[in-house]
Amino acid sequence: DTGVSQDPRHKITKRGQNVTFRCDPISEHNRLYWYRQTLGQGPEFLTYFQNEAQLEKSRLLSDRFSAERPKGSFSTLEIQRTEQGDSAMYLCASRYTGELFFGEGSRLTVL
Amino acid sequence: GQQLNQSPQSMFIQEGEDVSMNCTSSSIFNTWLWYKQDPGEGPVLLIALYKAGELTSNGRLTAQFGITRKDSFLNISASIPSDVGIYFCAGPPGWVQGAQKLVFGQGTRLTINP
Repeated sequence: DTGVSQDPRHKITKRGQNVTFRCDPISEHNRLYWYRQTLGQGPEFLTYFQNEAQLEKSRLLSDRFSAERPKGSFSTLEIQRTEQGDSAMYLCASRYTGELFFGEGSRLTVL
Repeated sequence: GQQLNQSPQSMFIQEGEDVSMNCTSSSIFNTWLWYKQDPGEGPVLLIALYKAGELTSNGRLTAQFGITRKDSFLNISASIPSDVGIYFCAGPPGWVQGAQKLVFGQGTRLTINP
């Protein structure tokens, strides 16, 4: 499978715990994006990397959220001290110059 | 911030019917994109529009970039069961084409009765 891969697909955690999601983009894609999607809504932009550089962050990305792409390949999104409002689908997407390709998402449920 | 409003929010139709949905914005977009999302999956691009007035087809799907640059329409002809899903419009905000983030509408959920 050469698409965007996300892990885990589902995560259930208790409030206050930390969680980390991983995204493996399509191999030749230098641009990587994280979006968040809550029930009944469209995806909302969180952050964008070009190679290893994080070039843009949304105001939605509070200080409890951190994203990295250390070698310009895979990326991680960590949420510290999770809150119930963090429950959502976290989507990763990648592109080179053309179409944006989305992964299947990581669904987070915070109890 | 810029928002995209989709209409209708949901549709219940019979198999074989044609479908029309639209997307409007309070500000100008220079690119309009239409995505489909199946349950438990990420969105998949259906059609991209880059020029005002442009009409583009992809099989049974046809989309148009509104002349005012503030709206777009998606039509599906002769609907089939696999058309079920949520359809999103999206675009890069601002005047810069190729801007790095997309704004999405809230989606139109399509349900088909066989």
